[in-house]
Amino acid sequence: DAMVIQNPRYQVTQFGKPVTLSCSQTLNHNVMYWYQQKSSQAPKLLFHYYDKDFNNEADTPDNFQSRRPNTSFCFLDIRSPGLGDAAMYLCATSREGGGGTDTQYFGPGTRLTVL
Amino acid sequence: DAKTTQPPSMDCAEGRAANLPCNHSTISGNEYVYWYRQIHSQGPQYIIHGLKNNETNEMASLIITEDRKSSTLILPHATLRDTAVYYCIVRGRSYNTDKLIFGTGTRLQVFP
Repeated sequence: DAMVIQNPRYQVTQFGKPVTLSCSQTLNHNVMYWYQQKSSQAPKLLFHYYDKDFNNEADTPDNFQSRRPNTSFCFLDIRSPGLGDAAMYLCATSREGGGGTDTQYFGPGTRLTVL
Repeated sequence: DAKTTQPPSMDCAEGRAANLPCNHSTISGNEYVYWYRQIHSQGPQYIIHGLKNNETNEMASLIITEDRKSSTLILPHATLRDTAVYYCIVRGRSYNTDKLIFGTGTRLQVFP
């Protein structure tokens, strides 16, 4: 089945140690999104790629970076994780972006723990 | 900021209809109403969306008031697996207004 895959499902890192989370999709969608969801809060958009065009949200900390080497893969890099970065990180895709009717499909998420 | 207001929690008996309300009094004419749900420790799942007319699919029905200032998501026969947080989201059409901005949602508990 076509889907959005996130690896790993659980990631533990140390304070200040760079960490990379990965997302892949078999849907051949143009747009890929990264959301952060802290405990008991709603998901919050960090940034998204429309094809190779990167779009950062205004309040996303500089500590968070992203790469999209090809259509299928997108990575979230946290350069120096702090305790406040512990959260569930959700990847989503959509076919076109824009238009209002373009559904976003979410992966299962990666839960990041920072020690 | 989210453009919607939802009750923080609701209960529903298994087999009964679950009616989840949402207020979106500032919605503009070209904005859609979307519903997603998030089962514990999973990614959000798309349920349904609508613009003006009522919509139905295999998961749920969406009833939008004539003035479009509120809507109701209906799960016709709730099951225990429908226990989740339900998010009502107003979403624009154009690039960069079509983001999903999640509010606090409604935590639906379906009980036996």
